[in-house]
Amino acid sequence: TQLLEQSPQFLSIQEGENLTVYCNSSSVFSSLQWYRQEPGEGPVLLVTVVTGGEVKKLKRLTFQFGDARKDSSLHITAAQPGDTGLYLCAGVATGNQFYFGTGTSLTVIP
Amino acid sequence: DARVTQTPRHKVTEMGQEVTMRCQPILGHNTVFWYRQTMMQGLELLAYFRNRAPLDDSGMPKDRFSAEMPDATLATLKIQPSEPRDSAVYFCASGLVRGVGTDTQYFGPGTRLTVL
Repeated sequence: TQLLEQSPQFLSIQEGENLTVYCNSSSVFSSLQWYRQEPGEGPVLLVTVVTGGEVKKLKRLTFQFGDARKDSSLHITAAQPGDTGLYLCAGVATGNQFYFGTGTSLTVIP
Repeated sequence: DARVTQTPRHKVTEMGQEVTMRCQPILGHNTVFWYRQTMMQGLELLAYFRNRAPLDDSGMPKDRFSAEMPDATLATLKIQPSEPRDSAVYFCASGLVRGVGTDTQYFGPGTRLTVL
């Protein structure tokens, strides 16, 4: 059962453009994490958001946790080719159980 | 720089053969996760261990898959017999659960399995 839906599934943009990736669920999570995965590697954690409405910034990346702790968004400003990769959200439920989203494959064209 | 290691990195086998994948978690971590990633299903949790005890293996086909932690430095995932539909990238991740709060999972590089 896929609890977390991400949109869009694929995204190809020009360097310098802005983009937003969405992660939606009908379930409430104690926290939510975002990972980036590059080809041939495992996912690497970018951020953890815990409080409903929380906003965290990591350089050009802005992460927001929904007020009801069911959804999240990732906004990238002025995308660069190094941002290319598969972005995964993961909802964390009680008992430290992780549920990964469907993924968004981002390609930033120089 | 501590990392999760997985062996082998690539495995090609024929249907019906036994496959064993190994994972060495980061020293001191007390949780280990096994995931399977495919284009169609994404990243699926297969098994979850804490302090070497299996907490959840509901995502794992019980008739052919088994996961164990013989000791704190080794986790194994076995498939017997393997089938073409098992072709996927299998990831191991380890973490440290200290009670309250969310802990980070550190993923290994994965084992790419192809069953012919």
